[in-house]
Amino acid sequence: ETVLTQSPGTLSVSPGETATFSCRASENVNKDYLAWYQQKSGQAPRILIYGTSTRATDIPDRFSGSGSGTDFTLTISRLEPEDSAVYYCQQCGSSPFTFGPGTKLEIK
Amino acid sequence: QVRLVQSGAEVKKPGASVKVSCKTSGYSFTTYDINWVRQATGQGLEWMGWMNPNSGNAAYAQKFQGRVHMTRNTSISTAYLELTSLRSEDTAVYYCVRPYSHYYYYMDVWGKGTTVTVSS
Repeated sequence: ETVLTQSPGTLSVSPGETATFSCRASENVNKDYLAWYQQKSGQAPRILIYGTSTRATDIPDRFSGSGSGTDFTLTISRLEPEDSAVYYCQQCGSSPFTFGPGTKLEIK
Repeated sequence: QVRLVQSGAEVKKPGASVKVSCKTSGYSFTTYDINWVRQATGQGLEWMGWMNPNSGNAAYAQKFQGRVHMTRNTSISTAYLELTSLRSEDTAVYYCVRPYSHYYYYMDVWGKGTTVTVSS
């Protein structure tokens, strides 16, 4: 199975700054099947980015994704307090469709 | 509007089984897979498997093989997750998810989750 590792475990960033999240895979992931989700406390996750770099509907352009092969990145610019959440990457290129362990974003 | 409405919270004893339902609306039920994802309290997301509502075929994560069954009733556009031989480690919120599956594949529409508590 493809194991996804996310770093850092926790990120603490001030409003207005940029947060960068890393997702590394144990084997190559087809970039069409790499997605990022945001989960706020007490809520179900929601899709942010799919196909490595395509923003989902209604996701602001402050959110961007990039990467290929085994290394993928989510970047949130101009951070806002509402961005406080846990962010997960997932690959759906090969079964099982594994998730990374998540990165918790704290807004200072 | 696509909606996935899950059944209510369950409390089960170790060794018992639980069956969670996911009633869908707003789209053609047999056109999209249904995935199931669970999350223990304070933990990350864990993908359990997926089912094709048209054929009824399902594929499960190795971890759950032999204990999980994903089924459906197409006449009421409802998917089901059954987990047997429950243990305390199965205490979690269980989500049904409708993926987007045209060229890309990702977890698109999520139910609100069903809390399953396994306790003696």
